[in-house]
Amino acid sequence: QKEVEQDPGPLSVPEGAIVSLNCTYSNSAFQYFMWYRQYSRKGPELLMYTYSSGNKEDGRFTAQVDKSSKYISLFIRDSQPSDSATYLCAMKGRDNTDKLIFGTGTRLQVFP
Amino acid sequence: DTGVSQDPRHKITKRGQNVTFRCDPISEHNRLYWYRQTLGQGPEFLTYFQNEAQLEKSRLLSDRFSAERPKGSFSTLEIQRTEQGDSAMYLCASSLGTVENYGYTFGSGTRLTVV
Repeated sequence: QKEVEQDPGPLSVPEGAIVSLNCTYSNSAFQYFMWYRQYSRKGPELLMYTYSSGNKEDGRFTAQVDKSSKYISLFIRDSQPSDSATYLCAMKGRDNTDKLIFGTGTRLQVFP
Repeated sequence: DTGVSQDPRHKITKRGQNVTFRCDPISEHNRLYWYRQTLGQGPEFLTYFQNEAQLEKSRLLSDRFSAERPKGSFSTLEIQRTEQGDSAMYLCASSLGTVENYGYTFGSGTRLTVV
C-alpha cells in the first residue's frame, strides 16, 4: 500500500463547477500538507499549504485536512479552463528529513 | 532571477551511455532537491542538499546515480550506464529553508528517454 493515495482521474467538469480533489494517507506522523498544480511539460507549483488539521482558504482554493480520517481535500470554486492541470498532494512529518511524499496526481479538465 | 533552471529540457540517449543534467536554483535558496517523475506518477524523492552538503539520499538513488552541488550553487545529476527504466522526468527544486516553512520551487524538468 502506498503511503499516499490519490485518484488519478481524469476528472472532467464544466466551467464554473466546484471541484473536489482528495488524498488519503496511511502515515499518522504526517503533519504538513501541500497541494501542487502541474501543467503539462512543467514542474509542479505550490498552491496551498496547511499545517496539521483545519481549513485554509486562498481565493478560489480551499484546503482541508482531517487528520482523524487521514484525508485531505482541495476545493476549487468557480473552476476555469485555465485550472485544467494535474493536482498533486504532498506531505511530510515532523522529522529531520526535508523530502515530500507525493500522491500520484489527479488530472483535471475544465471545459468551457 | 527567473526561477529554477534545468538543462537540457530533453535528452535522448542510448542504453549504456552516461548522462548528466544540470540545475541552477534560485540564487538565494540554500536547499536543492532532485526528484524523479514517471508518467502518471507523482514525483519521487532522490536526494537533497543544503549548500554543498548532501543531506539525504533515497534508496532509489542506486550506485549508478550521483549528484553534486559544488560550492553550494548549481547542481548536477549524473546517471551512468543508463537503463530503459531510467526514462523519466528529472525535476530539480530549490527552497529558502525547510520545506514546511517555504515549500519548493520546481524547475520545468529534464525529460530523459533511454532507447
